[in-house]
Amino acid sequence: DAGVIQSPRHEVTEMGQEVTLRCKPISGHNSLFWYRQTMMRGLELLIYFNNNVPIDDSGMPEDRFSAKMPNASFSTLKIQPSEPRDSAVYFCASRRDRRFYGYTFGSGTRLTVV
Amino acid sequence: SQQGEEDPQALSIQEGENATMNCSYKTSINNLQWYRQNSGRGLVHLILIRSNEREKHSGRLRVTLDTSKKSSSLLITASRAADTASYFCATQIQGAQKLVFGQGTRLTINP
Repeated sequence: DAGVIQSPRHEVTEMGQEVTLRCKPISGHNSLFWYRQTMMRGLELLIYFNNNVPIDDSGMPEDRFSAKMPNASFSTLKIQPSEPRDSAVYFCASRRDRRFYGYTFGSGTRLTVV
Repeated sequence: SQQGEEDPQALSIQEGENATMNCSYKTSINNLQWYRQNSGRGLVHLILIRSNEREKHSGRLRVTLDTSKKSSSLLITASRAADTASYFCATQIQGAQKLVFGQGTRLTINP
């Protein structure tokens, strides 16, 4: 089991550019979560999917952020256009849809917008 | 707003000592979980305690849950240098799938 795989590990981009973060959840896990971590705000849930369907996107900061899960093995988080305040570590996590299961997190993507 | 609040924010102890971290939360929960994060890495699930449980053990970890006080504690016994990390509590609210994380406790074990 390779765990939750995120790419890229690091991304440096200029303000105004489009950024796409990718996530491959663990096979058989049917819930997927995108979190953002900053020193100021800690870990914030952005959006989560269940069986590829977005369930709660109330944490998405604004219309510049969008997320998709076209199939059970792939999800993307897109920021367009990016701004310096989007700089953070973005984590993807997945879990099996059972009542008392923990999450498995990926290693994260460190995004720097200059 | 954060559902879970950890206390203390930072803790530094000598190797071999026990480390205790506390977490308080606001609303009724289905379960509470503890995670560890090493610097620059993702979070690792440590232990889950259900709302109807009061105590749970896993190796050197002991977790307690007091739903009347809406609080939990994580005890790490016989600490090791490798336990140096940030520790987060996370609550799964009743009726929701998502986890809400606290701000974490930064634990440093001095050799």
